[in-house]
Amino acid sequence: EIVMTQSPATLSVSPGERATLSCRASQSVGTNLAWYQQKPGQAPRLLISGASTRATGIPARFSGSGSGTDFTLTISSLQSEDLAVYYCQQYNNWPPLTFGEGTKVQIK
Amino acid sequence: EVQLLESGGGLAQPGGSLRLSCEASGFKFRDFGMSWVRQAPGKGLQWVSTLSSDGSITYFAESLRGRFSISRDNSKNTFYLLMTSLRAEDSALYYCAKTWGSRYMDVWGKGTTVTVSS
Repeated sequence: EIVMTQSPATLSVSPGERATLSCRASQSVGTNLAWYQQKPGQAPRLLISGASTRATGIPARFSGSGSGTDFTLTISSLQSEDLAVYYCQQYNNWPPLTFGEGTKVQIK
Repeated sequence: EVQLLESGGGLAQPGGSLRLSCEASGFKFRDFGMSWVRQAPGKGLQWVSTLSSDGSITYFAESLRGRFSISRDNSKNTFYLLMTSLRAEDSALYYCAKTWGSRYMDVWGKGTTVTVSS
């Protein structure tokens, strides 16, 4: 089973600043990685697939990068509505599909 | 608009059973794999199971195989999760998700809550 490790667990960022979230896989997943956003009390929403392809309707301030074992989700200019937990998920070697533990983004 | 609506959650006794349903609309249901993902209170996301578009291929989290089963009725645009021999640790919010290429979830329902307690 591929283990996904996200860091940091919590990130506090001021509005307008850049937020950088990391996700590491225990073995290579190529670019078979998705990112999800889960706002408080809501279902998750797909942000990124294929490590860097934004889903329909996702603002351009969200970008994904990386391949192999190391991935990054960047929010270029944090907005108040970006308060959420962000999860990465690999789909290269499955079952099982595996998620990271999540990074909680707080507004400073 | 693509929508997924889960139902069937509730309180179940340990050892009991529940069947969750997920009704889909706004897309060609028969063309897509579907998944269940659960989230225990205050915890992260845990993949449960994925079923291929035609229902012929099933994938399960190993720890749940044998107790849970999934199925779909493409004529009713509905996807199911049958949970048996329920345990307290199965208590969670269960999400149904449209699954692209049977690999990642591009649309999620709002979830249905399962509580296993005596």
